[in-house]
Amino acid sequence: QKEVEQNSGPLSVPEGAIASLNCTYSDRGSQSFFWYRQYSGKSPELIMSIYSNGDKEDGRFTAQLNKASQYVSLLIRDSQPSDSATYLCAVKPHNDMRFGAGTRLTVKP
Amino acid sequence: ETGVTQSPTHLIKTRGQQVTLRCSSQSGHNTVSWYQQALGQGPQFIFQYYREEENGRGNFPPRFSGLQFPNYSSELNVNALELDDSALYLCASSEAGGSGVNSPLHFGNGTRLTVT
Repeated sequence: QKEVEQNSGPLSVPEGAIASLNCTYSDRGSQSFFWYRQYSGKSPELIMSIYSNGDKEDGRFTAQLNKASQYVSLLIRDSQPSDSATYLCAVKPHNDMRFGAGTRLTVKP
Repeated sequence: ETGVTQSPTHLIKTRGQQVTLRCSSQSGHNTVSWYQQALGQGPQFIFQYYREEENGRGNFPPRFSGLQFPNYSSELNVNALELDDSALYLCASSEAGGSGVNSPLHFGNGTRLTVT
């Protein structure tokens, strides 16, 4: 079982729609969860962090965490073509951060 | 605020050679982590340095080694390069190792290594 699992996609949504990205993790002791966005050929950039069960909103982005189900998600409202990128889920069970393989999102105008 | 900087940006090496990649951490950050990202994959954890000591290591062979200097900058050394070492190498800094569980990583632009 992989430490962090994501659907590789590609996920395609029309402009203005809600994009939903999902992630599961294996280490129940994990305390910190992050979403990174990575444009092609670039390095990952931090979008959201979440540490407690429930929802956390930041602009068009909402992160959701359910530790009992070992599940993290990211919702992107009013998706824009500029949101087209690979989204990486990351989990920090100890000192180091572990990443999923990423979900490629395409937002079509 | 100065971000994470990596050098060089691109590198081409021959199988069997050795390579050194360099990283300067973001100001105020004392922990540096190194990741390998193959095409189409997520970043894979190589190791982390905190206070000049290795503070965790992923599933990479000993020919991957590193250093951290008193100014928190870091080097990644890879000996006996193999074709499969071709990847994007990412350096990331954070505020605290050890108990810094909530500290996010801030990435540099990476070094693209090609082994022929």
